[in-house]
Amino acid sequence: GDSVTQKEGLVTLTEGLPVMLNCTYQTIYSNAFLFWYVHYLNESPRLLLKSSTDNKRTEHQGFHATLHKSSSSFHLQKSSAQLSDSALYYCALSEVISNYNVLYFGSGTKLTVEP
Amino acid sequence: NSKVIQTPRYLVKGQGQKAKMRCIPEKGHPVVFWYQQNKNNEFKFLINFQNQEVLQQIDMTEKRFSAECPSNSPCSLEIQSSEAGDSALYLCASSPGGEQYFGPGTRLTVL
Repeated sequence: GDSVTQKEGLVTLTEGLPVMLNCTYQTIYSNAFLFWYVHYLNESPRLLLKSSTDNKRTEHQGFHATLHKSSSSFHLQKSSAQLSDSALYYCALSEVISNYNVLYFGSGTKLTVEP
Repeated sequence: NSKVIQTPRYLVKGQGQKAKMRCIPEKGHPVVFWYQQNKNNEFKFLINFQNQEVLQQIDMTEKRFSAECPSNSPCSLEIQSSEAGDSALYLCASSPGGEQYFGPGTRLTVL
């Protein structure tokens, strides 16, 4: 079945350093969509990025990710971490983009950015 | 920003009690999902609806949960007989077809 792996459960960085959160996935569907959601404490999880296009960089709010189907990866990156980036980050997969595509989430990475 | 409304934000129940939570999807979104996020922050899909019809649900939901999305009323998810292992954050998401927009969740504690 479909699955998403986020190896790092906790990442702690100093402000200003680059961010890279890993995401790999397994699916039999060649047109699967990959997503990054960010979840701040006591708020709703919010969509950060999405992609289904191989080798195309997608960007939003300073974050970027590139879907690499050859390695089944969709790593989240940012050039310079900010204190406000501290949150839980989830990578998720949907088999096809349709009205009822269930999201399969990774276990999440808690990012803490320190001064 | 998401306009999905979930009530109550916090719910405390004893084992064996019913636990009911509600979700108002964003206007114009015909599809509603319920997910359970456990204490390890892991998400589990529970059930989804398109308009008032159930599209998919897992076994646990079929056996122990009651869910509906009536027209012109909030969607609801009810655990018929709460167990300690049901303590979690229950997230509702609505979709216009594609992306999902989440509410803030109902945090259920079963004592």
